[in-house]
Amino acid sequence: EAGVAQSPRYKIIEKRQSVAFWCNPISGHATLYWYQQILGQGPKLLIQFQNNGVVDDSQLPKDRFSAERLKGVDSTLKIQPAKLEDSAVYLCASSLDNSYEQYFGPGTRLTVT
Amino acid sequence: KNEVEQSPQNLTAQEGEFITINCSYSVGISALHWLQQHPGGGIVSLFMLSSGKKKHGRLIATINIQEKHSSLHITASHPRDSAVYICAVRSTGNQFYFGTGTSLTVIP
Repeated sequence: EAGVAQSPRYKIIEKRQSVAFWCNPISGHATLYWYQQILGQGPKLLIQFQNNGVVDDSQLPKDRFSAERLKGVDSTLKIQPAKLEDSAVYLCASSLDNSYEQYFGPGTRLTVT
Repeated sequence: KNEVEQSPQNLTAQEGEFITINCSYSVGISALHWLQQHPGGGIVSLFMLSSGKKKHGRLIATINIQEKHSSLHITASHPRDSAVYICAVRSTGNQFYFGTGTSLTVIP
């Protein structure tokens, strides 16, 4: 069974630029999560999708971050414009449903200079 | 105050030692997760539990719902167990809270 795929693995951008991350969850997984993990800290949930609907985006900085999962499968997370403090690893995870174990992707390491 | 607190923050052990990592939480939960993160690597889910005890190989996870406490035990520790172990809970309000992790180093 293929795992959660994410791309790119690494990204370096200048502040005020835009960036987008892509996630392909495990086939059949209805729930998809985006996390932000700043160096030395635990992951922070940014947004949770159930199929193509948003379940929780309470910690998503909506002035600059957006995410979509239009067809209930792949998802993209966008930052526009990026700030220095957005430097982090962005993790995508999926689960069969929100009461099941989560499977994490390898993450995208973003550096904002 | 964080909703999830882990201890210790850092732990160094000799190979073969029995290791315990603790997690306390302050919210009502529907599930607790133990995750493992290797340096530069992704996160692997070790356990998801809502009561009692689970065992997988040399790893054992326990949870006491009344005391809002969970422990992760590693028996016969090995250098390849060196990683950050993260405790996370899903609250009854369906929100996720993560601990800051315990960095474990096992010395040969």
